Amino acid sequence: ETGVTQTPRHLVMGMTNKKSLKCEQHLGHNAMYWYKQSAKKPLELMFVYSLEERVENNSVPSRFSPECPNSSHLFLHLHTLQPEDSALYLCASSLAGTGDEKLFFGSGTQLSVL
Amino acid sequence: AQKITQTQPGMFVQEKEAVTLDCTYDTSDQSYGLFWYKQPSSGEMIFLIYQGSYDEQNATEGRYSLNFQKARKSANLVISASQLGDSAMYFCAMREGFSGNTPLVFGKGTRLSVIA
Repeated sequence: ETGVTQTPRHLVMGMTNKKSLKCEQHLGHNAMYWYKQSAKKPLELMFVYSLEERVENNSVPSRFSPECPNSSHLFLHLHTLQPEDSALYLCASSLAGTGDEKLFFGSGTQLSVL
Repeated sequence: AQKITQTQPGMFVQEKEAVTLDCTYDTSDQSYGLFWYKQPSSGEMIFLIYQGSYDEQNATEGRYSLNFQKARKSANLVISASQLGDSAMYFCAMREGFSGNTPLVFGKGTRLSVIA
């Protein structure tokens, strides 16, 4: 079993749908992240839950809503998305508070918005 | 201004040869960490190597080494004895400071193709 598991692997949704992405980590980490990876752009950090604090990128539209019920689970709720939101969404986790803190990533959810 | 710059969108290397992937960074912090990740076609980002700003020796992990030139603010990844399985996207990243809440900032990546 991989350390960070994301489901689903692929998702196609219409602009009026509501869906959720799920991430689970089995590494005993205390920080979880959502990143967006679009073609030819750097990875964009969307949300961080670290040491029970939520940190977010203020440029992320409100149609993306994260939820972190505990240190092992992270969700990204999606509603009324736009075609430009089509991208690979990567979840990551880490052990926060260490200087060489490494991120461990899941395989991502490839999202297509029609 | 970009924090991480990877100037090579794509690179080719012959199998068994060494290759250097360039990365320059921009920070005014004295404490920072530099990371390299590999992303194969499966999508997962795989951690390769880490270099702390106070580390005097260049980091090495198996066939990976990081050529850290602090004055030039460069952190190039060297892959020795390339293998076909090394074909992937490679991302350089930086964390400023050592706070747990400081985000990791990534470059745009370099696509490496290893040819037989």
